[in-house]
Amino acid sequence: NAGVMQNPRHLVRRRGQEARLRCSPMKGHSHVYWYRQLPEEGLKFMVYLQKENIIDESGMPKERFSAEFPKEGPSILRIQQVVRGDSAAYFCASSPPGGNNQPQHFGDGTRLSIL
Amino acid sequence: RKEVEQDPGPFNVPEGATVAFNCTYSNSASQSFFWYRQDCRKEPKLLMSVYSSGNEDGRFTAQLNRASQYISLLIRDSKLSDSATYLCVVNRRGYQKVTFGTGTKLQVIP
Repeated sequence: NAGVMQNPRHLVRRRGQEARLRCSPMKGHSHVYWYRQLPEEGLKFMVYLQKENIIDESGMPKERFSAEFPKEGPSILRIQQVVRGDSAAYFCASSPPGGNNQPQHFGDGTRLSIL
Repeated sequence: RKEVEQDPGPFNVPEGATVAFNCTYSNSASQSFFWYRQDCRKEPKLLMSVYSSGNEDGRFTAQLNRASQYISLLIRDSKLSDSATYLCVVNRRGYQKVTFGTGTKLQVIP
């Protein structure tokens, strides 16, 4: 039973390029969350999605960042025109439907480095 | 006031010691509570859920105090491998989105 799968594990981009981070939730999980973590800092919530719907994007920067979770395929976090400040670890988590008593399970994360 | 607050530490304790962390939450509608551990540069991993009656898993005991709005994690007989950051997670009734504390760093010393 595969866990949450994130890829790539490491991603290097130059300023101005686009970064695409992928997340496949655990089997049976329909809720996906994205978090960002800067070095020596805590997890910051970015966005919560269900299939084809963004439920809560209160943690997403207003510009350059977008997320989707299509009917088929993984969830994608997309960062356009990356800047040095986007360098961070981006974690995806998933949880099953049907209630908030279910804990979230995390993927290994994508370490994004901006040159 | 932050929704979830933790003492960042670090807590430096000798092997074999007992150590306890607290985590306070501000919203009385909070319903679900969890402890996660995060090792350096790794993903958070679920340590245990926290139940109203308190629960134990080996050397780890979690408790909930609704009146004072905090949860606690007690670690007995600390091992070197317990060194990590411990994250408190709180979820409000009717919300799927959870709130993570910034974590308490534990360093177990030989």
